[in-house]
Parts: sequence; C-alpha cells; structure tokens
Amino acid sequence: EAGVVQSPRYKIIEKKQPVAFWCNPISGHNTLYWYRQNLGQGPELLIRYENEEAVDDSQLPKDRFSAERLKGVDSTLKIQPAELGDSAVYLCASSTTSTGRRSPLHFGNGTRLTVT
Amino acid sequence: QKEVEQNSGPLSVPEGAIASLNCTYSDRGSQSFFWYRQYSGKSPELIMFIYSNGDKEDGRFTAQLNKASQYVSLLIRDSQPSDSATYLCAFPGAGSYQLTFGKGTKLSVIP
Repeated sequence: EAGVVQSPRYKIIEKKQPVAFWCNPISGHNTLYWYRQNLGQGPELLIRYENEEAVDDSQLPKDRFSAERLKGVDSTLKIQPAELGDSAVYLCASSTTSTGRRSPLHFGNGTRLTVT
Repeated sequence: QKEVEQNSGPLSVPEGAIASLNCTYSDRGSQSFFWYRQYSGKSPELIMFIYSNGDKEDGRFTAQLNKASQYVSLLIRDSQPSDSATYLCAFPGAGSYQLTFGKGTKLSVIP
C-alpha cells in the first residue's frame, strides 16, 4: 500500500511570496488533514476534509491560507503571502473514517517550509 | 480546550533498560489514545493505540491507560538506540474528529 505522498519535500521562499503544497492521500482514505508542526512542538491541525468538503477549518488562518481538495482525492494547501512565522513543517495525513477512532492517521513525509 | 501534557525531556536511558513515557490529558470524554514516534526530520509514525483501561502490549511496547487519573503511558522494554526519537501522544477527544497532539518527549537510548 502506497503511503501519503507530499511534495515538495523542502521549500525556501522569501517573505511575501506565495507557496503551495500538494498531498496525495492513501487510496480509499476519505479523510484528509493538513497539520503544521513547529520546531519542538506537536502537530497542530489546520484543516480537515471529508471527501471534498472542508468540515473543520477553524484553525486555518484564512487571511493568507487556503486549501482545496478537488474530486475528494488530492489536496493543495496555499499560503499567500508567506510570513516569517510560517516557517514550519506542513504535514498531510489521511484516515479511513472521520472520527479518529480506530482509524489512526497516516502521515506523509511533510514539506519543510523556510521563509526568509 | 483539550490539552495534552507531556514532559518534553530529553529522557535518557541506557540500552536494555525500560523507558517510561507519560502523558496526561484534560478531556475526560476521551475514549482512545495514540502514541506516535517521530524520528528527527521525519513524519510521525503510529506505534500504539489503546481504547480501554489497562495495558496493551505489542512486542517491546506496552501502553497503559488510566482514565480515572487521566493519564496514558508508554513503556519500552529492552530499549535500543534505534528507539531514540520523539514520542507524541494524541487523542481525538469526545465528539472531536481530529487528533490533538502533545509536544512530545524526546527519548535518547545510550549504547
């Protein structure tokens, strides 16, 4: 079974520039998550999708962040414009149910973003 | 607000010893708990999950859950240098659909 695939692995941009991250979840996983992990911290949820619907985006900074999951499979997370504080690892995860119970999250390798 | 508390460490144990990692949580409604291992520069990897009070064993790993005291622990027997990583505990919370993670405990197993 192929795992969650993310790209790019690393991205370095200057502040105020846009950036986008891509995620392909495990086949058949209807739930997709974007997490952000700062150095020395645990992952924090940004947005959760059930199929193509964003059902929890309360932690997504909507002034500069946007996400989409067209056709309920791949997803893209965008930041425009990026700020220095956005430097972090952006993790995509997927699971087979929406409850988080008995359906552990499987994470991709993440995208390490550095904003200079 | 759901909270998860973990000692950030680092926790150092000699090779072959038992490593004990602890996590406390605030949401009494939580029904399931997960332990993830994260190697430096890598993504979190699920190693254990537990739903009921008591112990759950899987190889060298034992998860212990005490709902009355609101803590969950992870024991690693016969610790190996390859166990050196950050261990994250996480729980979904009652009625919640995403995992809340602790900050993680960094474990170092000394050869």
